[in-house]
Amino acid sequence: AQSVAQPEDQVNVAEGNPLTVKCTYSVSGNPYLFWYVQYPNRGLQFLLKYITGDNLVKGSYGFEAEFNKSQTSFHLKKPSALVSDSALYFCAVKAAGNKLTFGGGTRVLVKP
Amino acid sequence: NAGVTQTPKFQVLKTGQSMTLQCAQDMNHEYMSWYRQDPGMGLRLIHYSVGAGITDQGEVPNGYNVSRSTTEDFPLRLLSAAPSQTSVYFCASSRERGAYNEQFFGPGTRLTVL
Repeated sequence: AQSVAQPEDQVNVAEGNPLTVKCTYSVSGNPYLFWYVQYPNRGLQFLLKYITGDNLVKGSYGFEAEFNKSQTSFHLKKPSALVSDSALYFCAVKAAGNKLTFGGGTRVLVKP
Repeated sequence: NAGVTQTPKFQVLKTGQSMTLQCAQDMNHEYMSWYRQDPGMGLRLIHYSVGAGITDQGEVPNGYNVSRSTTEDFPLRLLSAAPSQTSVYFCASSRERGAYNEQFFGPGTRLTVL
Protein backbone atom coordinates (compact mmCIF):
# COMPACT_ATOMS: atom_id res chain seq x y z
CA ALA A 1 0.00 0.00 0.00
CA GLN A 2 1.23 3.48 -0.77
CA SER A 3 1.57 6.14 1.92
CA VAL A 4 2.74 9.70 2.45
CA ALA A 5 4.15 11.24 5.60
CA GLN A 6 4.34 14.92 6.40
CA PRO A 7 6.24 14.94 9.70
CA GLU A 8 5.45 18.52 10.70
CA ASP A 9 1.93 19.59 11.61
CA GLN A 10 2.95 23.24 11.41
CA VAL A 11 5.86 25.25 10.08
CA ASN A 12 6.46 28.82 11.23
CA VAL A 13 8.68 31.11 9.20
CA ALA A 14 9.36 34.83 9.04
CA GLU A 15 8.47 36.66 5.86
CA GLY A 16 11.44 36.76 3.50
CA ASN A 17 13.03 33.62 4.96
CA PRO A 18 13.26 30.31 3.11
CA LEU A 19 10.35 27.94 3.52
CA THR A 20 10.61 24.14 3.49
CA VAL A 21 7.73 21.68 3.92
CA LYS A 22 8.81 18.06 4.26
CA CYS A 23 7.29 15.02 2.61
CA THR A 24 8.35 11.38 2.43
CA TYR A 25 6.54 8.62 0.61
CA SER A 26 6.28 4.86 0.25
CA VAL A 27 5.08 3.29 -2.97
CA SER A 28 5.68 0.24 -5.17
CA GLY A 29 7.04 1.19 -8.53
CA ASN A 30 7.72 4.63 -9.92
CA PRO A 31 6.05 7.40 -7.93
CA TYR A 32 4.15 10.35 -9.30
CA LEU A 33 4.34 13.08 -6.67
CA PHE A 34 2.21 16.17 -6.19
CA TRP A 35 1.92 19.21 -3.96
CA TYR A 36 -1.37 20.96 -3.35
CA VAL A 37 -2.19 24.06 -1.32
CA GLN A 38 -5.45 24.80 0.50
CA TYR A 39 -6.39 28.31 1.57
CA PRO A 40 -9.05 28.73 4.28
CA ASN A 41 -12.53 27.57 3.26
CA ARG A 42 -11.33 26.68 -0.23
CA GLY A 43 -10.67 23.53 -2.21
CA LEU A 44 -7.17 22.28 -2.95
CA GLN A 45 -5.13 23.93 -5.67
CA PHE A 46 -2.40 22.17 -7.63
CA LEU A 47 1.10 23.58 -7.10
CA LEU A 48 3.49 21.22 -8.89
CA LYS A 49 4.23 17.61 -9.75
CA TYR A 50 7.09 15.24 -10.39
CA ILE A 51 6.58 12.65 -13.10
CA THR A 52 10.04 11.92 -14.49
CA GLY A 53 13.21 13.70 -15.52
CA ASP A 54 14.82 16.57 -13.64
CA ASN A 55 14.68 16.05 -9.89
CA LEU A 56 14.03 19.75 -9.27
CA VAL A 57 10.51 20.71 -10.23
CA LYS A 58 9.31 24.31 -10.44
CA GLY A 59 5.67 25.19 -9.89
CA SER A 60 3.22 27.99 -9.22
CA TYR A 61 3.80 31.05 -7.00
CA GLY A 62 7.59 30.57 -6.86
CA PHE A 63 7.45 27.12 -5.25
CA GLU A 64 9.74 24.27 -6.18
CA ALA A 65 10.26 20.73 -4.95
CA GLU A 66 13.14 18.30 -5.07
CA PHE A 67 12.63 14.61 -5.74
CA ASN A 68 15.12 12.40 -3.92
CA LYS A 69 14.70 8.76 -4.84
CA SER A 70 17.21 7.36 -2.35
CA GLN A 71 15.57 9.18 0.55
CA THR A 72 12.04 8.74 -0.85
CA SER A 73 11.41 12.42 -0.26
CA PHE A 74 9.75 15.25 -2.13
CA HIS A 75 10.23 18.39 -0.03
CA LEU A 76 8.52 21.64 -1.03
CA LYS A 77 10.59 24.81 -0.96
CA LYS A 78 10.33 28.51 -1.53
CA PRO A 79 13.38 30.76 -1.31
CA SER A 80 11.57 33.76 0.19
CA ALA A 81 8.23 33.24 1.93
CA LEU A 82 5.34 35.70 1.78
CA VAL A 83 2.59 36.25 4.34
CA SER A 84 0.15 35.21 1.60
CA ASP A 85 1.83 31.76 1.53
CA SER A 86 0.18 30.98 4.87
CA ALA A 87 -2.04 27.98 4.11
CA LEU A 88 -2.35 24.21 4.46
CA TYR A 89 -0.04 22.19 2.22
CA PHE A 90 -0.59 18.60 1.13
CA CYS A 91 1.83 16.19 -0.43
CA ALA A 92 0.33 13.32 -2.45
CA VAL A 93 1.54 10.26 -4.34
CA LYS A 94 0.16 8.09 -7.12
CA ALA A 95 1.45 4.83 -8.45
CA ALA A 96 -0.73 2.16 -9.98
CA GLY A 97 -4.08 3.26 -11.31
CA ASN A 98 -5.21 6.76 -10.55
CA LYS A 99 -5.71 6.64 -6.78
CA LEU A 100 -4.11 9.61 -5.09
CA THR A 101 -2.89 9.16 -1.51
CA PHE A 102 -2.49 12.31 0.57
CA GLY A 103 -0.35 13.13 3.55
CA GLY A 104 -1.93 14.61 6.66
CA GLY A 105 -1.08 18.17 5.70
CA THR A 106 1.28 20.82 7.05
CA ARG A 107 0.05 24.21 8.13
CA VAL A 108 2.40 27.01 7.14
CA LEU A 109 2.31 30.27 9.04
CA VAL A 110 4.38 33.12 7.64
CA LYS A 111 4.77 35.99 10.08
CA PRO A 112 5.43 39.55 8.92
CA ASN B 1 -15.14 27.41 -17.46
CA ALA B 2 -16.65 27.03 -14.02
CA GLY B 3 -14.30 24.12 -13.28
CA VAL B 4 -15.57 21.78 -10.55
CA THR B 5 -18.70 22.92 -8.74
CA GLN B 6 -20.26 21.46 -5.60
CA THR B 7 -23.59 22.02 -3.90
CA PRO B 8 -24.55 22.64 -1.20
CA LYS B 9 -21.69 24.47 0.55
CA PHE B 10 -23.03 23.69 3.99
CA GLN B 11 -25.46 21.05 5.25
CA VAL B 12 -26.71 19.92 8.65
CA LEU B 13 -28.39 16.52 8.91
CA LYS B 14 -29.89 14.49 11.69
CA THR B 15 -28.71 10.94 12.26
CA GLY B 16 -30.47 8.58 9.88
CA GLN B 17 -31.35 11.16 7.24
CA SER B 18 -30.21 10.71 3.66
CA MET B 19 -28.98 13.28 1.20
CA THR B 20 -27.08 13.76 -2.03
CA LEU B 21 -24.02 15.94 -2.49
CA GLN B 22 -23.84 17.26 -6.01
CA CYS B 23 -20.67 17.58 -8.09
CA ALA B 24 -20.32 18.75 -11.68
CA GLN B 25 -17.39 19.62 -13.95
CA ASP B 26 -17.36 21.34 -17.33
CA MET B 27 -13.84 20.34 -18.44
CA ASN B 28 -14.86 17.05 -20.10
CA HIS B 29 -12.72 15.15 -17.61
CA GLU B 30 -13.08 11.39 -17.59
CA TYR B 31 -11.85 10.80 -14.05
CA MET B 32 -13.84 12.05 -11.05
CA SER B 33 -13.53 11.29 -7.37
CA TRP B 34 -14.89 12.09 -3.93
CA TYR B 35 -12.75 12.69 -0.86
CA ARG B 36 -13.46 13.49 2.74
CA GLN B 37 -11.16 15.73 4.75
CA ASP B 38 -10.81 15.27 8.47
CA PRO B 39 -8.35 17.13 10.74
CA GLY B 40 -4.87 15.60 10.70
CA MET B 41 -5.86 12.86 8.27
CA GLY B 42 -5.42 14.57 4.94
CA LEU B 43 -7.93 13.61 2.28
CA ARG B 44 -9.25 10.08 2.02
CA LEU B 45 -10.75 8.67 -1.15
CA ILE B 46 -14.39 7.58 -0.87
CA HIS B 47 -15.37 6.57 -4.42
CA TYR B 48 -14.07 7.30 -7.89
CA SER B 49 -15.10 6.96 -11.52
CA VAL B 50 -12.95 6.53 -14.63
CA GLY B 51 -15.79 7.39 -16.98
CA ALA B 52 -19.56 7.47 -17.42
CA GLY B 53 -21.13 4.26 -16.17
CA ILE B 54 -18.02 3.12 -14.29
CA THR B 55 -17.48 3.58 -10.56
CA ASP B 56 -15.30 1.94 -7.93
CA GLN B 57 -14.65 2.08 -4.21
CA GLY B 58 -11.86 4.03 -2.61
CA GLU B 59 -10.39 3.85 0.86
CA VAL B 60 -13.50 4.68 2.93
CA PRO B 61 -16.62 3.75 0.89
CA ASN B 62 -18.92 2.48 3.63
CA GLY B 63 -22.11 4.50 4.03
CA TYR B 64 -21.78 6.19 0.64
CA ASN B 65 -23.08 5.46 -2.86
CA VAL B 66 -22.16 7.02 -6.19
CA SER B 67 -23.30 6.85 -9.78
CA ARG B 68 -21.95 8.35 -13.01
CA SER B 69 -24.64 8.59 -15.65
CA THR B 70 -22.95 11.47 -17.51
CA THR B 71 -19.37 12.68 -17.94
CA GLU B 72 -20.23 15.94 -16.18
CA ASP B 73 -21.96 14.80 -12.98
CA PHE B 74 -20.83 12.62 -10.10
CA PRO B 75 -23.23 12.79 -7.13
CA LEU B 76 -22.41 11.30 -3.73
CA ARG B 77 -25.27 9.83 -1.71
CA LEU B 78 -25.31 9.35 2.03
CA LEU B 79 -27.74 6.52 2.69
CA SER B 80 -28.30 6.95 6.43
CA ALA B 81 -26.21 9.73 7.91
CA ALA B 82 -24.12 9.08 11.02
CA PRO B 83 -22.14 11.51 13.21
CA SER B 84 -18.93 9.84 11.96
CA GLN B 85 -19.73 11.27 8.53
CA THR B 86 -19.33 14.83 9.80
CA SER B 87 -16.58 16.10 7.55
CA VAL B 88 -15.70 18.32 4.62
CA TYR B 89 -16.30 16.64 1.29
CA PHE B 90 -14.38 17.45 -1.87
CA CYS B 91 -15.07 16.40 -5.41
CA ALA B 92 -12.20 16.34 -7.90
CA SER B 93 -11.68 15.61 -11.58
CA SER B 94 -8.79 15.02 -13.97
CA ARG B 95 -8.14 14.21 -17.62
CA GLU B 96 -7.98 10.55 -18.59
CA ARG B 97 -6.82 7.95 -16.21
CA GLY B 98 -3.11 8.66 -16.46
CA ALA B 99 -1.34 8.68 -13.15
CA TYR B 100 0.51 11.88 -14.03
CA ASN B 101 -2.56 14.11 -14.39
CA GLU B 102 -3.18 16.57 -11.59
CA GLN B 103 -6.65 16.78 -10.12
CA PHE B 104 -8.90 19.84 -10.00
CA PHE B 105 -10.89 20.25 -6.80
CA GLY B 106 -14.25 21.78 -6.05
CA PRO B 107 -14.76 24.24 -3.17
CA GLY B 108 -16.10 21.57 -0.82
CA THR B 109 -19.25 20.78 1.15
CA ARG B 110 -19.13 21.07 4.93
CA LEU B 111 -21.44 18.45 6.40
CA THR B 112 -22.49 18.19 10.04
CA VAL B 113 -24.45 15.18 11.26
CA LEU B 114 -26.14 15.64 14.63
